[in-house]
Amino acid sequence: DAGVIQSPRHEVTEMGQEVTLRCKPISGHNSLFWYRQTMMRGLELLIYFNNNVPIDDSGMPEDRFSAKMPNASFSTLKIQPSEPRDSAVYFCASSLTGRSSGANVLTFGAGSRLTVL
Amino acid sequence: GNSVTQMEGPVTLSEEAFLTINCTYTATGYPSLFWYVQYPGEGLQLLLKATKADDKGSNKGFEATYRKETTSFHLEKGSVQVSDSAVYFCALSDPEGGSYIPTFGRGTSLIVHP
Repeated sequence: DAGVIQSPRHEVTEMGQEVTLRCKPISGHNSLFWYRQTMMRGLELLIYFNNNVPIDDSGMPEDRFSAKMPNASFSTLKIQPSEPRDSAVYFCASSLTGRSSGANVLTFGAGSRLTVL
Repeated sequence: GNSVTQMEGPVTLSEEAFLTINCTYTATGYPSLFWYVQYPGEGLQLLLKATKADDKGSNKGFEATYRKETTSFHLEKGSVQVSDSAVYFCALSDPEGGSYIPTFGRGTSLIVHP
């Protein structure tokens, strides 16, 4: 398996532009997480999907952020309009969760580094 | 709720020194415990895990023992290498407590000098 695939790896954009980050989870995993990492706030959970359904989006900073998971093999995180304070590394992670799946081990993608000027 | 507390970094060591990174937790259920490592420019990856009390997780020379009585899961390595320089995250998962969302610590940066 190629692991969790994220794109783009790097994005530089201007304030006010729309940004779309993409994630392909590991095949067979039923849970997907979006995280944001900054020096100031560390690793923050933005949203958690289970079986393609958003379960917890309490970490989404504001209405400018939205996430979708139209099927089990694809998710997007969109920021519109983007602001300089959104500059961070965004990680997608997936896992197999359930009673028979054992400990909930997350597999992370390599991240998307976003810079908003 | 669940929480994970790690020692503040950075931890700076010379090559071949002994490493301990402390981690304590609180949980409502009976969690599984993890250490993840993040090398520069990469995502987090699982280093080791333990699922029940007194279990010892080990990988790449690193070890951690699940201590229920002290609610701790300290990471140790007998002889660090420059290539171990990374950020280390302690985490727990507590599905019996009602959630599959892992709880991560703030991370501890390790810098190993030749």
